[in-house]
Amino acid sequence: DAKTTQPTSMDCAEGRAANLPCNHSTISGNEYVYWYRQIHSQGPQYIIHGLKNNETNEMASLIITEDRKSSTLILPHATLRDTAVYYCIVRAARNAGGTSYGKLTFGQGTILTVHP
Amino acid sequence: DTGVSQNPRHKITKRGQNVTFRCDPISEHNRLYWYRQTLGQGPEFLTYFQNEAQLEKSRLLSDRFSAERPKGSFSTLEIQRTEQGDSAMYLCASSPGVGSQYFGPGTRLTVT
Repeated sequence: DAKTTQPTSMDCAEGRAANLPCNHSTISGNEYVYWYRQIHSQGPQYIIHGLKNNETNEMASLIITEDRKSSTLILPHATLRDTAVYYCIVRAARNAGGTSYGKLTFGQGTILTVHP
Repeated sequence: DTGVSQNPRHKITKRGQNVTFRCDPISEHNRLYWYRQTLGQGPEFLTYFQNEAQLEKSRLLSDRFSAERPKGSFSTLEIQRTEQGDSAMYLCASSPGVGSQYFGPGTRLTVT
């Protein structure tokens, strides 16, 4: 799976949009971009994923650049409860042999702190 | 609650003892994963099952670790002869095939 690079930490004011960047310059054509977050002492929580097109769900929006080398997770109206570590993960659906992949490879993530 | 559940939530054991953790996945999710997370690090993959078959094991999974999913439903992770370095959060996740993985709350192991 391709390596990702994220800022170590970011701050955001409550009610404002939080924009979390991720670089994945070595991403391959069959690799998806996944975002998870982990609130202190809890298991990771799935947020969103995408391949090429921008995606939106009830939690967030995912913007993937046209060359797919970077992406941005957008939390449109951040709340204090959004304070967490956010992980950007690149994962292929299947390997060259056609076997479907299992594991997620987590990096260090971005510590997002939302301030009142 | 229909999410992934893990038991126990906390376990304190003395070095050298054996421990076993249980994971109950989301119903009808055929894939089940185990990860380990130490303080300040992201989760690290240990192993995963598709139904009852264990398809991949990490090199982190030493011979003191064993995982089972006998009927393709719940799974157990056993650590024999625990060491202080085994202290970590053990996370379980499940997914419907190659879909998104949903994590449980984890079991925090402390080896004294």
